[in-house]
Order: sequence, then structure tokens, then C-alpha cells
Amino acid sequence: SAVISQKPSRDICQRGTSLTIQCQVDSQVTMMFWYRQQPGQSLTLIATANQGSEATYESGFVIDKFPISRPNLTFSTLTVSNMSPEDSSIYLCSDHRVTANYGYTFGSGTRLTVV
Amino acid sequence: DQQVKQNSPSLSVQEGRISILNCDYTNSMFDYFLWYKKYPAEGPTFLISISSIKDKNEDGRFTVFLNKSAKHLSLHIVPSQPGDSAVYFCAASDFGNEKLTFGTGTRLTIIP
Repeated sequence: SAVISQKPSRDICQRGTSLTIQCQVDSQVTMMFWYRQQPGQSLTLIATANQGSEATYESGFVIDKFPISRPNLTFSTLTVSNMSPEDSSIYLCSDHRVTANYGYTFGSGTRLTVV
Repeated sequence: DQQVKQNSPSLSVQEGRISILNCDYTNSMFDYFLWYKKYPAEGPTFLISISSIKDKNEDGRFTVFLNKSAKHLSLHIVPSQPGDSAVYFCAASDFGNEKLTFGTGTRLTIIP
């Protein structure tokens, strides 16, 4: 089955700083997806990252706040910039690869706390 | 605008009984639906899916039912086991669009 490695698994950061989250998949994929799950809420898509082009951001998310890199077909990073306590969330990546039962696979998530 | 809704934030079920988790959606373009289970400190794990051409899909203890006219789907777990205690999310996507829209989740607790 698909394997997605995500790190760090958790971090506590000072407000005003930035954190870069890494996502590594075990085979080449065209698109990777970054989600956020705020406390007690649903998973919300932040952006779609294609290799070789700029990421496509969903409404309410901007590149300056969440810059994304996609240097190759197996790796992506999401940076949470100039953090505030409202950015405390779980951040997840997915490659939306179709598994044998047609489900998408997610990384294990990064639990971010901003103090 | 919450296009996928799970109106029950929590559910408690006795071990061995049936757990029924519900999900409603508003976007008629959705044609593929998935259920995920999530433990604390882990990413969501895919459970089962169903496309709009079906009204039922079964995998072991898990069965998903889809009522397109009512824009409603449900996940049945039988028999429920203590390891099923987790947060369950339903998600939906539309044809040609890989984006997933998630519900807000239902916390299922199985009581031994």
C-alpha cells in the first residue's frame, strides 16, 4: 500500500516564526495535497502541489502564508509562515493515490502548537 | 458553506452492537464518497468508499449505504469492537476533481 512519511510529527513554535513540514511519498505522483485540521473541526484542503508549477490554493489560503515547494515527484514541503496561535492545527499531506479499494492515503500528520 | 455534514459529533455504542454513522451532503455533483477513521496523533486511515452508481458497498464488518435522492450516506460497523473507537470522517469528491471535501467528524466510543 502507499506510504507517506511526514515530519515533524509535532512541534511547539513561538508566534512570529515559521515552520516547514516535509512530506515524502514512496513513489512518483503528479499531485500532492496539503490539508489542515483545526481543533475540533474538519479537514480543509489548503492547496494542491504539482511538480514544476506553482501550487493552487483554496479560498482563504494564500501563498505568502503557506508557501509550498514541490521540487520533484516524491517530495513536497509546506511552510506555515509568521505563525500565530490560530495556526495551531494538524497539518496533513496526501497524494490521493488510488489504493486497491479506491481510497486516498494520508501522511501521519504534523501537530503544530503556536505559543 | 459546509457541503458535507456529520450532525452527530459523538456516538457511544456497546461492544458487539451495530454502530451507525451518518453523513449528509448538499453538492449534487459529488459522485464518490469515502469514510476515514482517525486516531489521535495519526493521519486519517481509509476505511471504505462508494461511487454514486452503487447504493451499497461492503467490506468485512463495514458497510456503506448511499441514498442519492436524500443525499445521505451511512457507515455501519457490525459487530462493533473496542478498537473501533476513533473519530470517523466522511468525505466526498466530484467526477474529474480529486479534491476531497470532508465532514466535521463523529467521535465513536465503543463501550466494553
